[in-house]
Order: sequence, then structure tokens, then C-alpha cells
Amino acid sequence: DIQMTQSPSTLSASVGDRVTITCRASQTISNRLAWYQQKPGKAPNLLIYKASSLESGVPSRFSGSGSGTEFSLTISSLQPDDFATYYCQQYSTLWTFGQGTKVEIK
Amino acid sequence: EVQLVESGGGLVQPGGSLRLSCAASGFTFSAYEMNWVRQAPGKGLEWLSYISGGGDTIYYAGSVKGRFTVSRDNAKNSLYLQINSLRDEDTAVYYCARVRTVDQIFDYWGQGTQVTVSS
Repeated sequence: DIQMTQSPSTLSASVGDRVTITCRASQTISNRLAWYQQKPGKAPNLLIYKASSLESGVPSRFSGSGSGTEFSLTISSLQPDDFATYYCQQYSTLWTFGQGTKVEIK
Repeated sequence: EVQLVESGGGLVQPGGSLRLSCAASGFTFSAYEMNWVRQAPGKGLEWLSYISGGGDTIYYAGSVKGRFTVSRDNAKNSLYLQINSLRDEDTAVYYCARVRTVDQIFDYWGQGTQVTVSS
């Protein structure tokens, strides 16, 4: 099974900050990596697919990069609506989620 | 508009069984692969099972293989998850999610149904 490890688990930041979340796969997954945002009591929402492709309707302040085993999600200027939990997901072999990164208000 | 609506959750005793349903609308259900994902209280997302559009290909996460059974009825636009021998650790919100054909991403999710296992 492919394991996904995210860091950090919690990130404290302020509005306007640039934040980066990393995700590491236990084996190479090429660029078959997605990022989701989840708010309390809601289903996850797709942000990024194919490691760096922005899903339609997602603000351009979100960006993704990486390939192979190392990936990152960057929010260029944190907005109030962005305080949420973020998950990476590999879809190279079945599906596996990272453990999540909670972005909280500093 | 694509909609996925889960139902069937509730409070069940350890060792009991439950069948979850996911009603799909707004798209040609039979053309899409589907998955179940769960989230325990305060925890992350856990992929559980996959079923192809025709129902002939099925995969399970190792943690649930043998206790969970996924199925679908394309005539009723419905996806199901049968859960047997329920354990405390099965307490979670259960989501159904549609697989986007072109890239295997989960593009639409239901709102989830709560399963609580407790005596």
C-alpha cells in the first residue's frame, strides 16, 4: 500500500500569509496527486489534481507542485475562507489520503 | 446538477450490521465509478472501497476487507455499502464519492451519513 505523509499536522498563520503544506508518498506516484480542502461538517472539496492543475472555480492563490514522491500545496495569500483542513490524496494505485493539515488562525 | 445523498446511518450496537445507501442524480450513474470514504471523529479521511460502473470490478481497503461489501443498482441510481460485525472503530461519517473518468479523481462527494457504534 502507498502511504501518504503530510506536514505539518497543524499550521498557524495570519490573513495574507503565504503558506505551504508538504506531502510525501512512500513510493513514486508520478504526478497522480490531488489536494482537497475540508471545512468542519462538510465534505472535502477538490482544489488541485495532477499535482499542479487547478480545479475549475478554485482561486488562483492555490497552487500545487511536485512529482514522484514529494509534493506541496501553496496558498499565496491566506484569506479568511482558507482556514480549513487540507488533505493530499494519491490516485496512482487505488487511493490513499494524507493525515491532513489544519490551517488555523494565528 | 450532480447530487449524491447518503442515508442509512445511525446508532448500532457492536457486532451489528448496517446498509448505507447513496442516491445519485444529475448524471449518468452507470457510466461512473464510485467509492466510499469515511472519517472518524476528529480524524482524517480513509478510503474504503471502489466499484466500477458496471459493478464487475471491486476493491477494498485492507482494513475493511471481509466485513464491508459494496454494490450498486444502476437501475435505481444507487450505491450501497453493507457493513457487518460493526466495531467501535467503525464510528465515522461515511461519504460516497464519484470518480472522474478522465483522471480517477473524486470530483463529487455526498454530505455524509453518520454511523455510531455503541452499546
